[in-house]
Amino acid sequence: KAGVTQTPRYLIKTRGQQVTLSCSPISGHRSVSWYQQTPGQGLQFLFEYFSETQRNKGNFPGRFSGRQFSNSRSEMNVSTLELGDSALYLCASSFRRAGGDNEQFFGPGTRLTVL
Amino acid sequence: AQKITQTQPGMFVQEKEAVTLDCTYDTSDPSYGLFWYKQPSSGEMIFLIYQGSYDQQNATEGRYSLNFQKARKSANLVISASQLGDSAMYFCAMREVNSGGSNYKLTFGKGTLLTVNP
Repeated sequence: KAGVTQTPRYLIKTRGQQVTLSCSPISGHRSVSWYQQTPGQGLQFLFEYFSETQRNKGNFPGRFSGRQFSNSRSEMNVSTLELGDSALYLCASSFRRAGGDNEQFFGPGTRLTVL
Repeated sequence: AQKITQTQPGMFVQEKEAVTLDCTYDTSDPSYGLFWYKQPSSGEMIFLIYQGSYDQQNATEGRYSLNFQKARKSANLVISASQLGDSAMYFCAMREVNSGGSNYKLTFGKGTLLTVNP
């Protein structure tokens, strides 16, 4: 079974630009969560999508948005990039059973650098 | 207040020895799950082990075991027979399950960098 895939793996942008990152979950998984990892703030939850609906949202500005498609693939978008958005963006997928899953599988991440 | 505390920024262990990585957590929810992940320098988060708050026994997965002490709110990871490939960042995380069981947010600790020496 293929794991979680994220594209692109590396990205360099300049301030003010926008970026779209993509995540394909494990086949059969319908929940996709996004996390931002920085040296200063550590791993922080961005949002979670299930059945094309945002179910949970972290404490990030509105510049960070996402969506999920009918095939469970998810994209996140960051508009008006700032230097502080430089981070590793991780996507996690899970089946999403009632009561929660015992495992959430992560992708390799997209490393975004904002110049 | 921090929900997940990992007090050891770095740990060293000799190859083939056991090592314990500390994790304490804070929650008022009766139902929650505790996870440990390994993150090598490549960046990918690798799931290691899970412990549910209602699980009666400590979780084990191969060389990994979780020392779960609910009253003390601690969930330490024990790695037995350390290998050079175990050198990585280790994160403890918690998922609080709300009444509908719909919360899939993981809260992570700051991590512990484990170095295994030959």
